[in-house]
Amino acid sequence: RKEVEQDPGPFNVPEGATVAFNCTYSNSASQSFFWYRQDCRKEPKLLMSVYSSGNEDGRFTAQLNRASQYISLLIRDSKLSDSATYLCVVKAAGNKLTFGGGTRVLVKP
Amino acid sequence: EAGVVQSPRYKIIEKKQPVAFWCNPISGHNTLYWYLQNLGQGPELLIRYENEEAVDDSQLPKDRFSAERLKGVDSTLKIQPAELGDSAVYLCASSSPDRYNEQFFGPGTRLTVL
Repeated sequence: RKEVEQDPGPFNVPEGATVAFNCTYSNSASQSFFWYRQDCRKEPKLLMSVYSSGNEDGRFTAQLNRASQYISLLIRDSKLSDSATYLCVVKAAGNKLTFGGGTRVLVKP
Repeated sequence: EAGVVQSPRYKIIEKKQPVAFWCNPISGHNTLYWYLQNLGQGPELLIRYENEEAVDDSQLPKDRFSAERLKGVDSTLKIQPAELGDSAVYLCASSSPDRYNEQFFGPGTRLTVL
């Protein structure tokens, strides 16, 4: 079983709609969680951290469920520019980040 | 502020040939990472440096891969000899001492082994 698993998608989303997807992690001792965004043929960039109480950044909302060991990302009012691959990232002890395989989102007009 | 610089951006070689990738991290970032990313997958850590010390190289295939960061700044990743399965994007990233959580990635080197 992979340490961090994601549905690869693609999630085809009409412009203006809401899309949500999850990521599961296997290490119960994981300490920190993040979502990175990666555009096609570009490098990954930090989108947002995921806090225990959940957090929101504009149209993006991240949630953490430690009991079930998953994190989620919700995008409201999707824009064409939201089309990208979203990488779930988990940090265990020792500052090592483990990346999931990514969830591809395609926002269409 | 300049970002993470990598060169070359693209490299095509024949199998069994050697290849080297270079990375210059963001100024002041003492932690440097090398990742391998295959198509449709997330980055996989190869090696992590704290200054000039390799603190995590457990995923580096040491029979053919080597890395160095002699002065704690620039780093070089080498493959010798390259195999067909080494075709991938090699990403370098760096982070600052007070913000380990945010890694800044370079544009990567896309390697094709024929």
